[in-house]
Amino acid sequence: NAGVTQTPKFQVLKTGQSMTLQCAQDMNHEYMSWYRQDPGMGLRLIHYSVGAGITDQGEVPNGYNVSRSTTEDFPLRLLSAAPSQTSVYFCATKDRLSGNTIYFGEGSWLTVV
Amino acid sequence: GNSVTQMEGPVTLSEEAFLTINCTYTATGYPSLFWYVQYPGEGLQLLLKATKADDKGSNKGFEATYRKETTSFHLEKGSVQVSDSAVYFCALSDPAMGSGGSNYKLTFGKGTLLTVNP
Repeated sequence: NAGVTQTPKFQVLKTGQSMTLQCAQDMNHEYMSWYRQDPGMGLRLIHYSVGAGITDQGEVPNGYNVSRSTTEDFPLRLLSAAPSQTSVYFCATKDRLSGNTIYFGEGSWLTVV
Repeated sequence: GNSVTQMEGPVTLSEEAFLTINCTYTATGYPSLFWYVQYPGEGLQLLLKATKADDKGSNKGFEATYRKETTSFHLEKGSVQVSDSAVYFCALSDPAMGSGGSNYKLTFGKGTLLTVNP
């Protein structure tokens, strides 16, 4: 997990609140992404970015926004939190030039009540 | 689309037992295959990978062979330890898309919980 930093690690939100999960990497990787992990579902891709200024939707993008203004940062915004967004969120990065290895952050545990 | 099917758990073994966790995949191209491990309360760590048919990935006593003919990438370890208790995820990366040949998105299996008892 070296080089990918997620904050906060734990968060409790009330339904309807908004918040931003932060992801920062210091490896100069072009590719960054957000996954959510739910019991029995594995990890599902929310949004991803192949470089600064470029973002795209993954499997489960509804209710989330992203932006990529710099190479280092890829924040995930929950616009109006719902209990269905209770999950563990992982940020991941990849360097196009060094093979197919994707590096994950340590995760952010989010509970929406 | 791409998909990964892995053995459902939980799997409970005694220390020094042999481990196999089955993983099969469906992909339209030539994916790279991965096993990730998640220890309790932690993020995902890459355990091993294979990028082409017949490649064998290995790490920490674990190994898996990319079998294109059976579309499989089964994880094995000859003698498990208590410290191997974790959730194991099989994953594949999308075949190269767009410019630059950059594989990026991962498709995951649902994970297999392994518990090793002393």
